[in-house]
Amino acid sequence: AQSVTQLDSQVPVFEEAPVELRCNYSSSVSVYLFWYVQYPNQGLQLLLKYLSGSTLVESINGFEAEFNKSQTSFHLRKPSVHISDTAEYFCAVSDLSNFNKFYFGSGTKLNVKP
Amino acid sequence: DGGITQSPKYLFRKEGQNVTLSCEQNLNHDAMYWYRQDPGQGLRLIYYSQIVNDFQKGDIAEGYSVSREKKESFPLTVTSAQKNPTAFYLCASSPGLAGGANTGELFFGEGSRLTVL
Repeated sequence: AQSVTQLDSQVPVFEEAPVELRCNYSSSVSVYLFWYVQYPNQGLQLLLKYLSGSTLVESINGFEAEFNKSQTSFHLRKPSVHISDTAEYFCAVSDLSNFNKFYFGSGTKLNVKP
Repeated sequence: DGGITQSPKYLFRKEGQNVTLSCEQNLNHDAMYWYRQDPGQGLRLIYYSQIVNDFQKGDIAEGYSVSREKKESFPLTVTSAQKNPTAFYLCASSPGLAGGANTGELFFGEGSRLTVL
């Protein structure tokens, strides 16, 4: 089975600073990769996903993530954060050898300070 | 609008009582899931269903039960056997198998917060 590791449980950062949220997964088999965002007392919303093709994927609000197969990583980055980016972020993996099963990391709380 | 509806959003239960959380989707998705979320532990899979009238246990199924009698509905019952039921419960769905591969992400409801008094 897959496991997903988010190394940082909390990341404090000042507004307009860059940020990187780290995600590593365990297996080298073919996977689909996702980042979700969760605001307090709400469900998860898809931020971006990697299925195939270009290893760099982008979201509409300035986040990007790069799939690195050799390092089994899918780190999320944003060059300049905004107060409204304060939320919890979850990395997830869908294992292509086990269709329809998703594995989640423990989450990273991003706290953007003014 | 298409989406997933969970109800109730907040629920209080006395110890020893069963409670059922509702999850309905109008996305025409084949697969549905129930996750439990606790602070600092991420999401843990309780049950999932890939097709009507079929479901499988996830990682923490003990003390929970589900049914999948209709494609659009996947209710979760938290039984009195669940030792620590206070948590935030999330229902999700995905398109399921498409041409032999899962090409879809998970779509989530707004969640139900269960508190045992």
